[in-house]
Amino acid sequence: GAVVSQHPSWVICKSGTSVKIECRSLDFQATTMFWYRQFPKQSLMLMATSNEGSKATYEQGVEKDKFLINHASLTLSTLTVTSAHPEDSSFYICSARGEVDNEQFFGPGTRLTVL
Amino acid sequence: ELKVEQNPLFLSMQEGKNYTIYCNYSTTSDRLYWYRQDPGKSLESLFVLLSNGAVKQEGRLMASLDTKARLSTLHITAAVHDLSATYFCAVDIRRETSGSRLTFGEGTQLTVNP
Repeated sequence: GAVVSQHPSWVICKSGTSVKIECRSLDFQATTMFWYRQFPKQSLMLMATSNEGSKATYEQGVEKDKFLINHASLTLSTLTVTSAHPEDSSFYICSARGEVDNEQFFGPGTRLTVL
Repeated sequence: ELKVEQNPLFLSMQEGKNYTIYCNYSTTSDRLYWYRQDPGKSLESLFVLLSNGAVKQEGRLMASLDTKARLSTLHITAAVHDLSATYFCAVDIRRETSGSRLTFGEGTQLTVNP
């Protein structure tokens, strides 16, 4: 149980385009999902907390107009990187918090490369 | 601001040896997690430590938590090459306005040499 999927697993796009990443909790309902970004050889940095049916809470320094988060259902959250630039190239990982125990379950990650 | 510090950041050890990774954090926390990350992969949950004095073991890894000292340790016994990975600790902090969140340590890159 407690499986989280992400799609796509990797994406290459041109500078200036937008990319959407999906995060799904497959076998449980997640009222809260989290989006992290990880640059090479660094730790995970929380970008935003996404609550079903309400606006996401962004961490300091994260542009909410650039990283659009939608959490329309209890099993799906999406992150859209708008007008992507090469500096947005990173490994994006989502997690979903279950209803029991408060533990976060992590997706497999999406590697974004912006050319 | 919560700080989570791991020590060491890089660890190269020989197979068969023992070693400990340390995780210090700067504020009171309900729980602490240890994760493993292989290159190009996401996080794999290793341990959840929920209370002071908690000790958990799985194979050659053992984790402990001292909430009074704000310290957790990950002990490696008789290391094998398959344990080579990056290990993260993460502290769960409850926030009044937006629920709990994880703050990660910098990670410890472990290389086990034959």
